[in-house]
Amino acid sequence: GAVVSQHPSWVICKSGTSVKIECRSLDFQATTMFWYRQFPKQSLMLMATSNEGSKATYEQGVEKDKFLINHASLTLSTLTVTSAHPEDSSFYICSAPSGGGGGDEQYFGPGTRLTVT
Amino acid sequence: GNSVTQMEGPVTLSEEAFLTINCTYTATGYPSLFWYVQYPGEGLQLLLKATKADDKGSNKGFEATYRKETTSFHLEKGSVQVSDSAVYFCALNRGFQKLVFGTGTRLLVSP
Repeated sequence: GAVVSQHPSWVICKSGTSVKIECRSLDFQATTMFWYRQFPKQSLMLMATSNEGSKATYEQGVEKDKFLINHASLTLSTLTVTSAHPEDSSFYICSAPSGGGGGDEQYFGPGTRLTVT
Repeated sequence: GNSVTQMEGPVTLSEEAFLTINCTYTATGYPSLFWYVQYPGEGLQLLLKATKADDKGSNKGFEATYRKETTSFHLEKGSVQVSDSAVYFCALNRGFQKLVFGTGTRLLVSP
């Protein structure tokens, strides 16, 4: 099946700094990608939809100025956590739909664990 | 609104035991329903799906039936293996491929 990668797999940063997480579709093109956040022992929560060539759309309650999303190409979306704080520590997961044809299968990256100290 | 509720884990079974992981949902309309599996260190993978009422999704010996009357999509397998140990997520498509997930259920299968 299709592969989605994320980089880095884990990152530790100091409070107040920014950190960028990359999501790549390795063998298919994705005009849309999704970013999820997962808290320990909780479900994945959709944060935003990343759209190639246009602005991302954010879910209610997600601060767009804190979580900057850039869909630079058909295979790359980045999530930048700006001015990170300890409460931003979480597991961030991206996904990309399988492509045209109306199918609703998605491919998920392995996730990035962010720890803010 | 849309939500998914699944049984808390961990579920601990011996090899060859029967597995049921319960999942119920609330939704507007009749969304597609999914089971995803996450093996250690890997991303979520689609296990099976059903797109309309009474559909049965199946894969790798796992099955789930879309029950509109009980708003359920329970995951079953007749005989689990150690290699089935993973976290299982029930999810629905609320539209435009945006997924709503349950909290996940960890399955531990011992030899």
